[in-house]
Amino acid sequence: EPEVTQTPSHQVTQMGQEVILRCVPISNHLYFYWYRQILGQKVEFLVSFYNNEISEKSEIFDDQFSVERPDGSNFTLKIRSTKLEDSAMYFCASRQGMGTEQYFGPGTRLTVT
Amino acid sequence: AQSVTQPDIHITVSEGASLELRCNYSYGATPYLFWYVQSPGQGLQLLLKYFSGDTLVQGIKGFEAEFKRSQSSFNLRKPSVHWSDAAEYFCAVAITSGTYKYIFGTGTRLKVLA
Repeated sequence: EPEVTQTPSHQVTQMGQEVILRCVPISNHLYFYWYRQILGQKVEFLVSFYNNEISEKSEIFDDQFSVERPDGSNFTLKIRSTKLEDSAMYFCASRQGMGTEQYFGPGTRLTVT
Repeated sequence: AQSVTQPDIHITVSEGASLELRCNYSYGATPYLFWYVQSPGQGLQLLLKYFSGDTLVQGIKGFEAEFKRSQSSFNLRKPSVHWSDAAEYFCAVAITSGTYKYIFGTGTRLKVLA
């Protein structure tokens, strides 16, 4: 069964550094998402992406964040200058089209020290 | 505003006992509803989903959920809990009027006593 993959599974970085989290969505999916889960808290929507542009972003998704689909298969989340409060599990998700469910990747745990 | 409420933060049941986890949503349009399970340090596994049709939906691992529009609820049930069901459970609603983003509840942590 096709699945969403994410790399790395765990990333440790120092405050102020840039990180790129990578996701490979399911190949025929058209809609892409990033979510964040701070330890012990609920999963929160960050951004949705369709047709090579952001379709919606939350208030969490400030200028430090960006997303890109550089080559038609990968979907990346970049945090330009990480803060301690960016430490969280980041989930990528994709879905095929209207009225379909999202498929979640296994997550990347980001630890900012 | 759209929201999902899971009133029970923690639930403890004995192995073999029945289980019901509550979920209430606030959303004006027809909701798409989901239950996910998350083991410690792991990702999100879909247990079941409701899009339309039969309001009682069956999922994996013996779980079922019932959509009740009049109560804005989508409670998860299992007739007999196994020790391996200990995990955190999240209810979610898809915002179908926009980008189909999910709004998640705060989760219910299930503990199973042997």
